[in-house]
Amino acid sequence: AQSVTQLDSHVSVSEGTPVLLRCNYSSSYSPSLFWYVQHPNKGLQLLLKYTSAATLVKGINGFEAEFKKSETSFHLTKPSAHMSDAAEYFCVVSPMDSSYKLIFGSGTRLLVRP
Amino acid sequence: NAGVTQTPKFRVLKTGQSMTLLCAQDMNHEYMYWYRQDPGMGLRLIHYSVGEGTTAKGEVPDGYNVSRLKKQNFLLGLESAAPSQTSVYFCASRGQGGEQFFGPGTRLTVL
Repeated sequence: AQSVTQLDSHVSVSEGTPVLLRCNYSSSYSPSLFWYVQHPNKGLQLLLKYTSAATLVKGINGFEAEFKKSETSFHLTKPSAHMSDAAEYFCVVSPMDSSYKLIFGSGTRLLVRP
Repeated sequence: NAGVTQTPKFRVLKTGQSMTLLCAQDMNHEYMYWYRQDPGMGLRLIHYSVGEGTTAKGEVPDGYNVSRLKKQNFLLGLESAAPSQTSVYFCASRGQGGEQFFGPGTRLTVL
């Protein structure tokens, strides 16, 4: 069975410092992986996706993630946090079966201090 | 191109009442999904559809029914609402690259 674990429920950084949101996945084969962001009282927006084309994936708003098969990780990073990055972030895995369902991590809330 | 839209945005029900949530997408996607989001639990799949006229159960289907009579619409019904169904409901459709596009959500309170 596929699953995804977000290692931190809350992360707090100062504006202008790097962001690291950690995600580990469990899969019996090479999965599709996604990061989504949700701002308060909003829907989910796709940040980036990994579908086996390249291990380093660049997304919107300066975010990127690296797929590491040996570590079964897909951590999300950004070199310099902005106040507008404060939101909840979800790491998501897709078991590539006929349903194309998404399996969500429990989320990491990013706080950005001025 | 509106993407995925949901109506209503907010609703308050009394226990035992029924209601239908409407999801519409204008991207000609085959796959559509209904999720609920509760604090600390991420999103959980209620039902999904792989095409017009087809539906299937997800992770938490009890107490909900769905219909996909038209490709662009996916309806979620609550026949007899319970306080445990207080949640935020999101609809999504699947794009060609495997990603899902989400609607803005419906905030439902059951008293």
